[in-house]
Amino acid sequence: AQSVTQLDSQVPVFEEAPVELRCNYSSSVSVYLFWYVQYPNQGLQLLLKYLSGSTLVKGINGFEAEFNKSQTSFHLRKPSVHISDTAEYFCAVSMNRDDKIIFGKGTRLHILP
Amino acid sequence: ETGVTQSPTHLIKTRGQQVTLRCSSQSGHNTVSWYQQALGQGPQFIFQYYREEENGRGNFPPRFSGLQFPNYSSELNVNALELDDSALYLCASSLAGTSGGGGTDTQYFGPGTRLTVL
Repeated sequence: AQSVTQLDSQVPVFEEAPVELRCNYSSSVSVYLFWYVQYPNQGLQLLLKYLSGSTLVKGINGFEAEFNKSQTSFHLRKPSVHISDTAEYFCAVSMNRDDKIIFGKGTRLHILP
Repeated sequence: ETGVTQSPTHLIKTRGQQVTLRCSSQSGHNTVSWYQQALGQGPQFIFQYYREEENGRGNFPPRFSGLQFPNYSSELNVNALELDDSALYLCASSLAGTSGGGGTDTQYFGPGTRLTVL
């Protein structure tokens, strides 16, 4: 069975500073990896996904993530955050195409002025 | 291209009642998945429908049931509501390929229905 661990429930960071949101996954088979963002009182929006190929994945809004198979990690990074990045970020895995998605508990990104 | 829509936006019910939530999938998508997101938690998979058949189910009791219609829209029904059913219910649509691939690999989520059970 797959599982996802988001190591930080909250991450405070100053505006224009870099940020890394950590994610580790557990699976005995190859998986697809995702990061979703949820703005207050809204649904989920896909930031980026890793299916295969290059381990560095670029997404929307300047975010990127790196797949590390040996460390079973898929950390999300942004070099300079803005107030508008305030949201909940979910790391997720899926075993197959179109299969159910298993989400982590989320990391709340809090941007400090 | 129309995105995923859900109705209603908010709903308040009392314990023991029944509720129906609705989802219209994105144009061209044939698969709908439902998730429950309790406050402060990540979404949890309830079930998935593909071509009007249930195609996978999470760890939810039978009082959670669903339907998918020929136009690929979907309903989630919950009977005998309990207080713990209070949550944001998210619907996601995708395009599943036939055997041999062709899926989109991506589920697109609607804005959700917030259900409060009193």
